[in-house]
Amino acid sequence: ILNVEQSPQSLHVQEGDSTNFTCSFPSSNFYALHWYRWETAKSPEALFVMTLNGDEKKKGRISATLNTKEGYSYLYIKGSQPEDSATYLCAFMGYNNNDMRFGAGTRLTVKP
Amino acid sequence: KAGVTQTPRYLIKTRGQQVTLSCSPISGHRSVSWYQQTPGQGLQFLFEYFSETQRNKGNFPGRFSGRQFSNSRSEMNVSTLELGDSALYLCASSLNEGAYEQYFGPGTRLTVT
Repeated sequence: ILNVEQSPQSLHVQEGDSTNFTCSFPSSNFYALHWYRWETAKSPEALFVMTLNGDEKKKGRISATLNTKEGYSYLYIKGSQPEDSATYLCAFMGYNNNDMRFGAGTRLTVKP
Repeated sequence: KAGVTQTPRYLIKTRGQQVTLSCSPISGHRSVSWYQQTPGQGLQFLFEYFSETQRNKGNFPGRFSGRQFSNSRSEMNVSTLELGDSALYLCASSLNEGAYEQYFGPGTRLTVT
């Protein structure tokens, strides 16, 4: 994979549902993987920075896992709330000085 | 602790002009990165500065340049503006260079006419 790809592009869930999305990235030259949450009319907010294969990080109802060998990361939201509605972005950092690539994001809408 | 601030928030320029955007990082943060966000290309990395030195650079033409001052404040300059430079420019600061959490500013919305 040459680019950072996120799926799905958008997701609509009901309040209380648990959900997950995927970030796929180049498996070579890996340095770090960032997850951000970006609400409309606000600035991106850092969720996690992941560096080690097998990393699992958690912040409240949100957690993320990392597989650097196969080049993917999952973001999970347990018991989605309307305030979780946002675009979730991942960004791949490689060792090369020019390499910082963002996915297009997953747009999550949580209906009350 | 004050967050990342960017000035100006909005700017309208004409093709061919040049523009300078400013970013003040969170106190104590030494790394500042700049990003461009457009509807067509999404969020793209411009460059990162640490200790007044450009550490990383994205795939942008030489018209895009920046610098960092000794107090970690950073400026970004775009010369000979083109219509396609219309975008939201975000800066983000982090404690150090590398794999650290980045804190974003509110952005500068640049419109080139």
